Order: sequence, then C-alpha cells, then structure tokens
Amino acid sequence: SQTIHQWPATLVQPVGSPLSLECTVEGTSNPNLYWYRQAAGRGLQLLFYSVGIGQISSEVPQNLSASRPQDRQFILSSKKLLLSDSGFYLCAWSVGGTAQETQYFGPGTRLLVL
Amino acid sequence: AQSVSQHNHHVILSEAASLELGCNYSYGGTVNLFWYVQYPGQHLQLLLKYFSGDPLVKGIKGFEAEFIKSKFSFNLRKPSVQWSDTAEYFCAASAPGTYKYIFGTGTRLKVLA
Repeated sequence: SQTIHQWPATLVQPVGSPLSLECTVEGTSNPNLYWYRQAAGRGLQLLFYSVGIGQISSEVPQNLSASRPQDRQFILSSKKLLLSDSGFYLCAWSVGGTAQETQYFGPGTRLLVL
Repeated sequence: AQSVSQHNHHVILSEAASLELGCNYSYGGTVNLFWYVQYPGQHLQLLLKYFSGDPLVKGIKGFEAEFIKSKFSFNLRKPSVQWSDTAEYFCAASAPGTYKYIFGTGTRLKVLA
C-alpha cells in the first residue's frame, strides 16, 4: 500500500535561518506531488506542485522554493525564513494525468518561526 | 478568479442532529468537486468526490453531497451526526485538465455527546 512521510513533525526556527522540509512517498510510481500551507482561517493554500522529476510549478510568489530530486521525494526549502512563513505544511500526492484524482495527504509539519 | 467558499467556520451540533455544510465555488466551465475531512490527530482524507453524472454523491461514513450547478454549490450533508464526526471539513475544487486544486477555508464541526 502507499504511504507518505513528512519530517520533521514540528520545527521551531529563528527568522533568517534556512529551511528544508522533506516529503517522501512509498508504494507508487511517478506521483504528482504537492506542497500546501494551512494557516488558521485561511484553509489550504497550494504552494507548489510537481508532475515529474525536476518539474516544479509555483502557485504563489513567496520566500519558499521546492525541488524534486527523485521520483518520490519532494522538498520544500527557504534560504531565509520570515515570520510569515509560520504555519502547517502539508505534502500530498496523487496519480493520474489531471486534477480528477484523489489527493492523499501526509501528516504535516508544524513550523514556527520566531 | 477561481475560488471555493465555506461560509460556516464553526458548527456545533448535538448527536443525532442533521448536518449541512455549505460550499460554493467560482469556476468557469466544468469543475471537479471534493470534500475532505481531517479528524483530530489524523491525516486529511477524502470523504467524497464529484466529477460528472448523478449530482447526488455518496461518500464514506454516511456522508453525501449534492452538486447544484445553478447555485454553484456542493453542500455536504449527513442525516444524523455522531460524536466521532467531530473534525474539520474542507471543500475543494479543480478544473479538468489541470493539476491545481483549490480548497476552502474549512469548517470545524464539534458534535456534543
């Protein structure tokens, strides 16, 4: 069966420090991968999605970047964190060619920038 | 711009009460619609989805949703809620041929035993 892992589960970082959040998927090949941020009262905001290795689409201009170095690995990064980067970050995957498919979500990473 | 609206942010019900959570979308053309649920301490998971066909969609755990195209709505319903339905519910939409999903802000449901 397919599983999705995210780490770390919780992270407290100072303003200006770098960030690297990792997401890996097991049990499927060539998934579509997504990064979302969930902020209180704002729902899930799509940040990035990827349909293949090295293919990244950015939905929201911001202080973050994403990379997909391997088929089932998706990384969210920042060179210098801002206070506004605090939030709950969710990784998700789906298979299939379009946005008709169910997305499967990971457990999330809670990031607090101080 | 494409958007999904959930107007009820917090809902409190007693067990056995009926539930209806509103979801309205703003999309030009054909749309795929989803309801996801996040139970306390668990991953976000799919409740039900609509692509085409019968506008009344049945999902897991006794939930159903009705797609009303004229009202741009996809409301979630359950005839009789249980304490275990306490969770946050998200409506989402996507356009066929794209990879992008848009989520609403969510509705926190608390069911009192």
